[in-house]
Amino acid sequence: EIVLTQSPGTLSLSPGERATLSCGASRSVSSSYVVWYQQKPGQAPRLLIYAGSGRATGIPDRFSGSGSGTDFTLTISRLEPEDFAVYYCQYYGSSSLTFGGGTKVDIK
Amino acid sequence: QVQLVQSGAEVKKIGASVKVSCKPSGDIFTSYAVSWVRQAPGQGLEWMAYINPYNGDTKYAQKFQGRVTLTTDTSTSTAYMDLRSLTSDDTAIYYCARHVGRNILTHLDYWGQGTLVTVSS
Repeated sequence: EIVLTQSPGTLSLSPGERATLSCGASRSVSSSYVVWYQQKPGQAPRLLIYAGSGRATGIPDRFSGSGSGTDFTLTISRLEPEDFAVYYCQYYGSSSLTFGGGTKVDIK
Repeated sequence: QVQLVQSGAEVKKIGASVKVSCKPSGDIFTSYAVSWVRQAPGQGLEWMAYINPYNGDTKYAQKFQGRVTLTTDTSTSTAYMDLRSLTSDDTAIYYCARHVGRNILTHLDYWGQGTLVTVSS
């Protein structure tokens, strides 16, 4: 079973700064099956990135996904106030889904 | 706009069972699989199980094998998650989420609002 490890646990940044969030897989996986979600307090997760780098409908282009093999990255080019939230990576395999532990992006 | 509407909050005793419902609006119910994901207080997301309403195919996380059952009622376009032998560790928000297709090898595009299940003695 794939294990996803997200780092850092918390990222403290200011609006306008660049955020780089990492997701490491315990073995090599296809980027086609790597997804990123955003979750704000009291809300359900929201799909951001699918298939490693595809932006979901309505997601601003400041969000981008990249990576291959065991290392995947979510980048927020310039943080807006509404981007401060928790971000989860997820992998789906033939028989299960796995989530990373999450990275909280908070205001510095 | 697709919405997944879940049943309301539940309070259960240790050892009891809970059944949560999820009703997607819009599109053809049997065209999209549903997964259930839970989130304990202050914790991350944990996938529990998947069901394909078209053929009833299910897949369960090993942790929940034997304790959770997913079903669907195609006449009412509703999905159900039944969790048995509850412990305090099952206190969590339970989400249903729709896959973009019938196969588990698809991402989750829409989520329900969540159902808080509280287990106490």
